[in-house]
Amino acid sequence: GAGVSQSPSNKVTEKGKDVELRCDPISGHTALYWYRQSLGQGLEFLIYFQGNSAPDKSGLPSDRFSAERTGGSVSTLTIQRTQQEDSAVYLCASSQGSGRVWADTQYFGPGTRLTVL
Amino acid sequence: AQKVTQAQTEISVVEKEDVTLDCVYETRDTTYYLFWYKQPPSGELVFLIRRNSFDEQNEISGRYSWNFQKSTSSFNFTITASQVVDSAVYFCALSGYNTNAGKSTFGDGTTLTVKP
Repeated sequence: GAGVSQSPSNKVTEKGKDVELRCDPISGHTALYWYRQSLGQGLEFLIYFQGNSAPDKSGLPSDRFSAERTGGSVSTLTIQRTQQEDSAVYLCASSQGSGRVWADTQYFGPGTRLTVL
Repeated sequence: AQKVTQAQTEISVVEKEDVTLDCVYETRDTTYYLFWYKQPPSGELVFLIRRNSFDEQNEISGRYSWNFQKSTSSFNFTITASQVVDSAVYFCALSGYNTNAGKSTFGDGTTLTVKP
């Protein structure tokens, strides 16, 4: 597609439920990133994919968080047994990932606003 | 470790004033990239500029200009003759060659409000 898309745009869930957040990167972009932005805060890095593999999972806050990417395209971020502190906007970005990913410009999606009641 | 500091949490100016957003960074990498992004009220981050550590030339794009100084580890952003549409949160980010490639470090952002 023309840009990064994310779904759903808003998600309200009850504490303890599992949620899945989806990201569709820009066509042809091999690198994909997930960030979390809490209210009034900066961006917290969660995980990054190069193709289908995740070289860096160091940002995942706990083992309740997991992410996968299939076919080098769509990625899903799953949060199990959600807690109220998981409430945030989850942003996805993609970049060309042409071997110099550290130099890439990242293009961001509109985000998914997650509210855990 | 990488760190980006945007000391100005909020700035408020009146339209047509010039405003400078500060960004100071720390990295052990000698090769790195710096970025500025804009997040308008609609929420989607928009890329503004990318600058590599070997290029200290200042850059001007319309009303926007960027001043990169390695000696002070700063990459400041100036908006000339600000407009209401410039109201947004602005983020400075750093990505280092050796420091977890792919893991960009973002500052906490500066909220700019331009009043008519």
